[in-house]
Amino acid sequence: QKEVEQDPGPLSVPEGAIVSLNCTYSNSAFQYFMWYRQYSRKGPELLMYTYSSGNKEDGRFTAQVDKSSKYISLFIRDSQPSDSATYLCAMRDAGGTSYGKLTFGQGTILTVHP
Amino acid sequence: EPEVTQTPSHQVTQMGQEVILRCVPISNHLYFYWYRQILGQKVEFLVSFYNNEISEKSEIFDDQFSVERPDGSNFTLKIRSTKLEDSAMYFCASSERRAGEAFFGQGTRLTVV
Repeated sequence: QKEVEQDPGPLSVPEGAIVSLNCTYSNSAFQYFMWYRQYSRKGPELLMYTYSSGNKEDGRFTAQVDKSSKYISLFIRDSQPSDSATYLCAMRDAGGTSYGKLTFGQGTILTVHP
Repeated sequence: EPEVTQTPSHQVTQMGQEVILRCVPISNHLYFYWYRQILGQKVEFLVSFYNNEISEKSEIFDDQFSVERPDGSNFTLKIRSTKLEDSAMYFCASSERRAGEAFFGQGTRLTVV
């Protein structure tokens, strides 16, 4: 079983739709969860950073973490064509012998069409 | 807004040659990382660096790879003898704290011919 699984899509939605992106993971030591947006041939851009279970909202973006199910989500409200990109989930464990190594999902390709 | 900068943006090199990829992390950050992304694949961890030494590395990071922080601002990744399969995007990242947010540079696209 892969440590982090993410449906690669592609996902195509009309402008204004609510987008739901998800990742599952198998390593129960993961405590910190991030979502990145990546445009073609560019670096990952940090969107959301959450610790443990719960919700976090930032503008049109909401991140959810359910540690009991080992499942994280990113919701994008009122999606815009400029949101078209690859969305990467990433996670890391709480410390110990880890020095912040991130484990990434495959990435989901999102297209928002006008 | 502070950012991680990487140079060059694109490097083409012959197989067997040495390459050095350069990064300037965010100035108050203490943890530095290199990741790579082969076209169409996941972003993969290579190495983390803290307090002037390697703190963690992956199986990919073999003896052909090395990292250095030659001064107070630069962080470099050296590949001694490049192979075709080293062709990838290489990303530098930095964090202020071990468990803090990691910010990535725009990457260096390495093409080995």
